[in-house]
Amino acid sequence: QAVLTQPSSLSASPGASASLTCTLRSDINVATYWIYWYRQKPGSPPQYLLKYRSDSDKQQGSGVPSRFSGSKDGSANAGILLISGLQSEDEADYYCMIWHSSTWVFGGGTKLTVL
Amino acid sequence: QVQLVQSGAEVKKPGASVKVSCKASGYTFTSYDINWVRQATGQGLEWMGWMSPNNGKTGYAQKFQGRVTMTRDTAISTAYMELSSLRSEDTAVYYCARTIVNTGLFDPWGQGTLVTVSS
Repeated sequence: QAVLTQPSSLSASPGASASLTCTLRSDINVATYWIYWYRQKPGSPPQYLLKYRSDSDKQQGSGVPSRFSGSKDGSANAGILLISGLQSEDEADYYCMIWHSSTWVFGGGTKLTVL
Repeated sequence: QVQLVQSGAEVKKPGASVKVSCKASGYTFTSYDINWVRQATGQGLEWMGWMSPNNGKTGYAQKFQGRVTMTRDTAISTAYMELSSLRSEDTAVYYCARTIVNTGLFDPWGQGTLVTVSS
């Protein structure tokens, strides 16, 4: 089983909200981990969005709009990237990442389509 | 502004080595780590390892242990990633990224270097 699992795709309408999940393997407790989120548009390198550990321990990337936010769902053992007020420019691949067993591990990525 | 500029595309034969450079500007090179990440066409991101330009310390993903070497030249603010014993599966875009020490905050990233391994 992969360390991090992301749905391969997600579609949402402009103006709506999208919740992108990053589920940790069952033997890894999301509660103590920093979850990093990156966005990648076609033909470009990834861009840092934010990191989240708790509501009191989080950081927004420089210039990243506040409509991007992080959270966790302990019951699902998952990190969540919430994007509100979706815009066409949000269409991209989104990756989560954690530090586990002395390794940076990326999720497989979610392709977000805004239509 | 903070910028990482990588070397150009490479075409290599199986079994050869490739060395990708990553020139930093706009910040103190030795104050941040450099991480390397690769991405095969149409695939996700894969972390390869990190290097501290301050002291040369490195850490490599187990998958690449023995095949990858990360070095730096502080005089010219440039980091290098060398991958040996190339095989077709190593065909990918290779990225460097500036990283705040002891975090996963990779920002910014270089533009990427396409390495093609083909006979």
